[in-house]
Amino acid sequence: DAGVIQSPRHEVTEMGQEVTLRCKPISGHDYLFWYRQTMMRGLELLIYFNNNVPIDDSGMPEDRFSAKMPNASFSTLKIQPSEPRDSAVYFCASSLVRYEQYFGPGTRLTVT
Amino acid sequence: DAKTTQPPSMDCAEGRAANLPCNHSTISGNEYVYWYRQIHSQGPQYIIHGLKNNETNEMASLIITEDRKSSTLILPHATLRDTAVYYCIVRVAGWIEYSGGGADGLTFGKGTHLIIQP
Repeated sequence: DAGVIQSPRHEVTEMGQEVTLRCKPISGHDYLFWYRQTMMRGLELLIYFNNNVPIDDSGMPEDRFSAKMPNASFSTLKIQPSEPRDSAVYFCASSLVRYEQYFGPGTRLTVT
Repeated sequence: DAKTTQPPSMDCAEGRAANLPCNHSTISGNEYVYWYRQIHSQGPQYIIHGLKNNETNEMASLIITEDRKSSTLILPHATLRDTAVYYCIVRVAGWIEYSGGGADGLTFGKGTHLIIQP
C-alpha cells in the first residue's frame, strides 16, 4: 500500500482565499483523523471520522473550518476564508485500530 | 487520560542503545502506553504499544514497570535516522475490547528530542 496520501504537499495562498486539503487514507482503514501542527501549539486533533461519519469535531478551531468524507477513500479539509494564523502543517492519519494511526506526509499551508 | 512526562531532549551515540524514559504515574488499569516518533518534516510514525507486559517489534522494545507508572522505549542499535521527537502517549485502548465509546484521536505532548550523534 502507498500509505496515506495527502495533497497538495505545499500550499501558499492569500488571506481570504478558500483552501482545500485532500487526503486518501490507507485502503481498509475505517478511522480518519485530521491534525494540525504549529510550533506554538504542537500537534492538535481537529476532527476524526469513523466509517465516513464525523465523530468528534470539537478540535475544529472555528466555523471557517469544515471537513468531509464522502467515501471511504477520500476526505477534504476546507478553510474558508483563510487567515494567516491558519498557517501550519496539516496531517491526515488513518487507522484500523483507533490508536495505531498511520500519518500522511502533511500539507504545509502558508497564508499570507 | 493519564498525563505523561518525558525529558525534553537526549543524546545517544550511533550504534548504542537509546533508552527513552516516560513517567505516567496516574495511569489507569485500562490505559495503554503508546509510542510514536516524528522525524523532521515528516508525519508521526507509530512505533509500539503495550499494556503491562514488555513488548518488542522490529523497531523497538517497550519496557513497562510492574506498577505501570513508568516505561522505557529502547532502540537497540540507534542510527542517525533515528534522530526524531519521540512521543509517549497513554490512552484507553481503541481495540475491539474497548466498549466505552467517545473515541478520541491522539494527544501529543512535547515529547523527547532524541539526537543520535555520529
